Amino acid sequence: QVQLQESGPGLVKPSQTLSLTCTVSGGSITSGIYYWSWIRQPAGKGLEWIGRIYTSGTTNYNPSLKSRVTISIDTSKNQFSLSLSSVTAADTAVYFCARDCSKDGFDSWGQGTLVTVSS
Amino acid sequence: SYELTQPPSVSVSPGQTASITCSGNKLGEKYVCWYQQRPGQSPLLVIYQDSQRPSGIPERFSGSNSGNTATLTISGTQAVDEADYYCQPWDSSTSGVFGGGTRLTVL
Repeated sequence: QVQLQESGPGLVKPSQTLSLTCTVSGGSITSGIYYWSWIRQPAGKGLEWIGRIYTSGTTNYNPSLKSRVTISIDTSKNQFSLSLSSVTAADTAVYFCARDCSKDGFDSWGQGTLVTVSS
Repeated sequence: SYELTQPPSVSVSPGQTASITCSGNKLGEKYVCWYQQRPGQSPLLVIYQDSQRPSGIPERFSGSNSGNTATLTISGTQAVDEADYYCQPWDSSTSGVFGGGTRLTVL
């Protein structure tokens, strides 16, 4: 059973860059059929997909965030990462990483990590 | 971007059937997944490819998708089913879009 765990700073200052890492255990991140996604959820609100990466490095991003988002992958560490630049208070949310099985859905999720944007 | 509509809330009595809808243009032409999210927890996939249940998901959860509407049905609803439910369509152009979520209350 694959497990995912987010890590990174819980507090980021406005205009700075939010950086998070997702560590995958119980399976290889290079398993060919999966994408690896980041999803966020502001307090009391719904889910927002941020973007995803394939083991080849191919990425897809939410158009509303595309100009500020970079997702990368480190297969040697079985990790993938999120970078979100020029953050504002609107980026305050719980950030989840998830295994993306395309038409079969997001079948494994991390526990989520709260990132607060505040000075 | 692709627009999805879910009712904000649905109420059901224990043991009864709950139906949660998700509407979008030609939604029936896409695959739909459903997620359950209890307070303070990560979302849990309960239905994929419109009507398939992942291993470990109770048989009381079922799904359908046709026309412009997908439906998650919970038969014999239990108190533990009280949660937020999100739909998510999939095709090559709508990957990653979520519905706004429906709060299921078991009264």
